[in-house]
Amino acid sequence: QQQVKQSPQSLIVQKGGIPIINCAYENTAFDYFPWYQQFPGKGPALLIAIRPDVSEKKEGRFTISFNKSAKQFSLHIMDSQPGDSATYFCAATSHGSSNTGKLIFGQGTTLQVKP
Amino acid sequence: NAGVMQNPRHLVRRRGQEARLRCSPMKGHSHVYWYRQLPEEGLKFMVYLQKENIIDESGMPKERFSAEFPKEGPSILRIQQVVRGDSAAYFCASQEGMNTEAFFGQGTRLTVV
Repeated sequence: QQQVKQSPQSLIVQKGGIPIINCAYENTAFDYFPWYQQFPGKGPALLIAIRPDVSEKKEGRFTISFNKSAKQFSLHIMDSQPGDSATYFCAATSHGSSNTGKLIFGQGTTLQVKP
Repeated sequence: NAGVMQNPRHLVRRRGQEARLRCSPMKGHSHVYWYRQLPEEGLKFMVYLQKENIIDESGMPKERFSAEFPKEGPSILRIQQVVRGDSAAYFCASQEGMNTEAFFGQGTRLTVV
């Protein structure tokens, strides 16, 4: 119940394409869903996050779509660039009083954007 | 404001030795989380600490691993009698509060030979 399942494991797109990364969860107590970007040798950095009271959130070229009934959320990267090549992790946590705020991460998606 | 500082960045230990990983949170942050990332895998929660207190250690292995966050100084993750399976990247994240944004350090890459 604490798992977050992420797919695909790897993704290759051409510059300008729109890669889509999907995540699914089981625990209905999760109420905060961040996405992290990680470059080789670096720590994860927060990209964008969403709460379940909205179905979509955009920040620049990054969009999260959220389907509460299906317990799924996805990351779309518009007009992808070679500099977006990185590993992307979805995560989930509960900000309820009984939870300690720990993040449950998906397995990660390695994205390569070809010039 | 410096980010989350972890040291060392790389650590090599022989089997049976001890490994000490340090994490200095961002200024003003008193909540520290430790995560472990095995090769080709996502990050797995290990332990959550506030100053001088362990709040949640549900992800810590029962033996050989311990963590502390003293009143003064960095948080320390200690692994005794390391084994090859402990080889991983260990990340620390600091937060201002329990339900606020997590900022990650660059990690310590532990290699056990």
